[in-house]
Amino acid sequence: EDQVTQSPEALRLQEGESSSLNCSYTVSGLRGLFWYRQDPGKGPEFLFTLYSAGEEKEKERLKATLTKKESFLHITAPKPEDSATYLCAVQAAQGGSEKLVFGKGTKLTVNP
Amino acid sequence: EAGVAQSPRYKIIEKRQSVAFWCNPISGHATLYWYQQILGQGPKLLIQFQNNGVVDDSQLPKDRFSAERLKGVDSTLKIQPAKLEDSAVYLCASSLDSGLLNTGELFFGEGSRLTVL
Repeated sequence: EDQVTQSPEALRLQEGESSSLNCSYTVSGLRGLFWYRQDPGKGPEFLFTLYSAGEEKEKERLKATLTKKESFLHITAPKPEDSATYLCAVQAAQGGSEKLVFGKGTKLTVNP
Repeated sequence: EAGVAQSPRYKIIEKRQSVAFWCNPISGHATLYWYQQILGQGPKLLIQFQNNGVVDDSQLPKDRFSAERLKGVDSTLKIQPAKLEDSAVYLCASSLDSGLLNTGELFFGEGSRLTVL
């Protein structure tokens, strides 16, 4: 069964304090790994798709990286507006289903 | 561009009652998804439609949940009868691509929060 584990569950940072979020996964053939951001009371918002080990994607203060077993979301010099829950999801390459399997998320709080 | 529309935003019902949620996807998006998100958990796929057809409903509790997508546009998700454990946010999402072209970029609505008492 495909599984996604995110750590830590919650993270508090001071504004400007860089850190990383972890997403480890077990999947029968990875088609893609996805990062989403979710604000309270809102639906998830797409950030990145990574397809193969060694791939990196960047967007403003966020950079996502991928290895064969895990992905990291690096946050450089975060601002309070980066506070949100960050969700990781995987899509398996095998089988007929295209469903995304999500982790529980990491709740990030950035204090001014 | 208008986003994914969902209604109602909030619903409170007694257990064993029924409830229905409505979703209007982004115009032109062929694929529509219903996800269930229980507090503190990630979203879990209930059902995926490609136009009018069902692609995946393997995690839909079919004894109480049903969903349809009329004319390949709007969709409704129904729960009858509701149980306490159905308390969750029901998220509708749509995507432009599907199959081998699926980029994983889903556009989510704001969700419908269900409380079952």
